[in-house]
Amino acid sequence: DAKTTQPNSMESNEEEPVHLPCNHSTISGTDYIHWYRQLPSQGPEYVIHGLTSNVNNRMASLAIAEDRKSSTLILHRATLRDAAVYYCILSNQAGTALIFGKGTTLSVSS
Amino acid sequence: EADIYQTPRYLVIGTGKKITLECSQTMGHDKMYWYQQDPGMELHLIHYSYGVNSTEKGDLSSESTVSRIRTEHFPLTLESARPSHTSQYLCASSEYGGVDQPQHFGDGTRLSIL
Repeated sequence: DAKTTQPNSMESNEEEPVHLPCNHSTISGTDYIHWYRQLPSQGPEYVIHGLTSNVNNRMASLAIAEDRKSSTLILHRATLRDAAVYYCILSNQAGTALIFGKGTTLSVSS
Repeated sequence: EADIYQTPRYLVIGTGKKITLECSQTMGHDKMYWYQQDPGMELHLIHYSYGVNSTEKGDLSSESTVSRIRTEHFPLTLESARPSHTSQYLCASSEYGGVDQPQHFGDGTRLSIL
């Protein structure tokens, strides 16, 4: 199954942009790139997903490299509520489910 | 906003007991999932369902079983709980379609077997 590589942790200051990187060098042509986040004591929350083109929604932007071997989740203005574990995810080989890694723990300081 | 509910939120129970973890969603989603997550670790898929009367095993082997008699309900059962079953169990649902459909998660059940 395709795997992703993310930094274990990142730090940010409030109201500054945050760029969370993800490497997925073994991605297949049909794999979507998903981002979820998990706040303490909660289940994961969908953030954004894309296939080839950059994507924007009310929560974040997703920048996908031209060769699709890496992507970056962009939080335009971090808030304290954005402190969470962020998962960059591909699907499993059967295409039936998402494969979660350990994610990046984002800390936000005021 | 997604509405998916899990009960109980916390359960501490002795070895050998039969346990059922409840999961319900009000969005009419066809696909539902159960994940297992140990503290500080990644989520692992243990069961999923495409719809009523459909259940499949996930990527991680589990001694639990599931049923899907109604669209909105996807309970998980452990016939005889053991300490090795101590973990957090997360339920999710999504609209029918490919794995690109966003999954909506409940807040989980933290299970502790003494």
